[in-house]
Amino acid sequence: SQQGEEDPQALSIQEGENATMNCSYKTSINNLQWYRQNSGRGLVHLILIRSNEREKHSGRLRVTLDTSKKSSSLLITASRAADTASYFCATGGYGNNRLAFGKGNQVVVIP
Amino acid sequence: DAGVIQSPRHEVTEMGQEVTLRCKPISGHNSLFWYRQTMMRGLELLIYFNNNVPIDDSGMPEDRFSAKMPNASFSTLKIQPSEPRDSAVYFCASSDDRWGYTFGSGTRLTVV
Repeated sequence: SQQGEEDPQALSIQEGENATMNCSYKTSINNLQWYRQNSGRGLVHLILIRSNEREKHSGRLRVTLDTSKKSSSLLITASRAADTASYFCATGGYGNNRLAFGKGNQVVVIP
Repeated sequence: DAGVIQSPRHEVTEMGQEVTLRCKPISGHNSLFWYRQTMMRGLELLIYFNNNVPIDDSGMPEDRFSAKMPNASFSTLKIQPSEPRDSAVYFCASSDDRWGYTFGSGTRLTVV
């Protein structure tokens, strides 16, 4: 099954800076999703990009998808302290809606 | 909607005891997932239901684990007997197959 793998694993930035994290996967996908997890909480769905899309925006989030390289990136612009969390990518395959999650990127935004 | 509701939030039990985790998915969602999260292994899919029917339980680690979904609004994950290595955060998530998953807040299980 697909397995998202984020890179880098941990990121520490100043408030106001941009944060970029990457995700790679191994097999064909129907869609790729990004989730955020605050400490001690469940995952929250951020954005979904389908395999026929190359870029998607949602507020301060920008996601790109390169199916030829089997990779995606999540950019958070003008980061805030509240963006401190772990970010996971997850891939969904054709014919099923099971998601395989990566191990997550920990992002710390310093006020 | 109150979101996906899991209970209990925390459970501490002794090795060998039976543990039952509960989940109420979002009304109208037809898929339900149980995940386990640990530092070492990340998020692992344990079992997945669609329209109350178990579709894939290949992630269930052992026969000690079982899950049921008697109706569209309730699911349980049972561990019997529990072992210390079962300690983890267990998440339930539901989906309407169109968008992303909605996760519950999780049950933190500690087996001593």
